[in-house]
Amino acid sequence: GIQVEQSPPDLILQEGANSTLRCNFSDSVNNLQWFHQNPWGQLINLFYIPSGTKQNGRLSATTVATERYSLLYISSSQTTDSGVYFCAVERDDSNYQLIWGAGTKLIIKP
Amino acid sequence: DAGVTQSPTHLIKTRGQQVTLRCSPISGHKSVSWYQQVLGQGPQFIFQYYEKEERGRGNFPDRFSARQFPNYSSELNVNALLLGDSALYLCASSLGRLAADDTQYFGPGTRLTVL
Repeated sequence: GIQVEQSPPDLILQEGANSTLRCNFSDSVNNLQWFHQNPWGQLINLFYIPSGTKQNGRLSATTVATERYSLLYISSSQTTDSGVYFCAVERDDSNYQLIWGAGTKLIIKP
Repeated sequence: DAGVTQSPTHLIKTRGQQVTLRCSPISGHKSVSWYQQVLGQGPQFIFQYYEKEERGRGNFPDRFSARQFPNYSSELNVNALLLGDSALYLCASSLGRLAADDTQYFGPGTRLTVL
């Protein structure tokens, strides 16, 4: 099956810093999404981005489908950005099954 | 508008018991998906239901079953609980359009502990 690898596994930054999170996937996909899970477990969809670039406030994401990777950029980090960031992908023949990476745990220190 | 709701919030069971978890989707959403998230890992897909029919199934044993009701709420049942079933169980709802960009909205989860 398709493999999803995220890096780095952990990231500790000071408030105001910028960060780049990476997601590599092993096969072509028709769906790639980025999620944020807060420290209380709530999952929020950030981007649907199987290809191209999108921006939403301080967050932006880029997926290069031909090279099978996606990047999530967080600028001017705030403590509320802390949590785990997941990348999840879906193949055409996956029967609606999202395959998730292990996540990047981000801690923003005040 | 109310988001996805799940009940109960926490649950403690012993090995061999059975458990039922409940999920109410966002109003207007017709699809419900269930995920298992073991501590320190990403969620794993269990089931997706749309219009009361199973539309997708992950790699879980037959001890796991689910159903969707006419009001689009859903139940996940797990029989013969094992210690390894201890996890956060997440429910997500979506409109159910047959499109890859059908955004899923997640509930707060049910934390199941099996002793």
